[in-house]
Amino acid sequence: DTGVSQDPRHKITKRGQNVTFRCDPISEHNRLYWYRQTLGQGPEFLTYFQNEAQLEKSRLLSDRFSAERPKGSFSTLEIQRTEQGDSAMYLCASSPKGQGHPEQYFGPGTRLTVT
Amino acid sequence: SQKIEQNSEALNIQEGKTATLTCNYTNYSPAYLQWYRQDPGRGPVFLLLIRENEKEKRKERLKVTFDTTLKQSLFHITASQPADSATYLCALEGGMDTGRRALTFGSGTRLQVQP
Repeated sequence: DTGVSQDPRHKITKRGQNVTFRCDPISEHNRLYWYRQTLGQGPEFLTYFQNEAQLEKSRLLSDRFSAERPKGSFSTLEIQRTEQGDSAMYLCASSPKGQGHPEQYFGPGTRLTVT
Repeated sequence: SQKIEQNSEALNIQEGKTATLTCNYTNYSPAYLQWYRQDPGRGPVFLLLIRENEKEKRKERLKVTFDTTLKQSLFHITASQPADSATYLCALEGGMDTGRRALTFGSGTRLQVQP
């Protein structure tokens, strides 16, 4: 396994359109996270899955954002009615099961530009 | 409110010197603290984790200290090399807006090692 992968790497869309991103975590990792990062800032948490269950969601997350992990493997993040403020790098991360492994392994990110 | 602060100004040092980066936090009682490296256009890469009952952790040329009384972690790179040039992010688990499992990141400090 070569690590966390994300697709696409870049997405340009017009304001008001819907976009969907995909994340494939490291295969034996049961925890999956989505973050958003803008220039000069650290990643900002969006949502977290353990297996297929979405256990945590940022209180700051707009209801235009939705995420799924239907079979506990890959995950998708959808943004509806995109706005220019949604332009950012969207990062996916995964971590192994167990209390002793809190470190997270990040993918390369999907850069979204909303015009 | 909970906050993680890293020096937003870039740190410029000469090759061979020790780089020291600071992470301060408020209104947290973290069980552990993590450090990540991020290169431009890429996802963060996990470097080190230090637990609340550990004062110091080392890995090759990296050293992290953790003072829960001062609410501060220091990250040292000894014998620095130009290849160490990157942004270094400090992260804590949990937060008011993230929930228990997700990471809250500082904004990062950019390190530039001059040859």
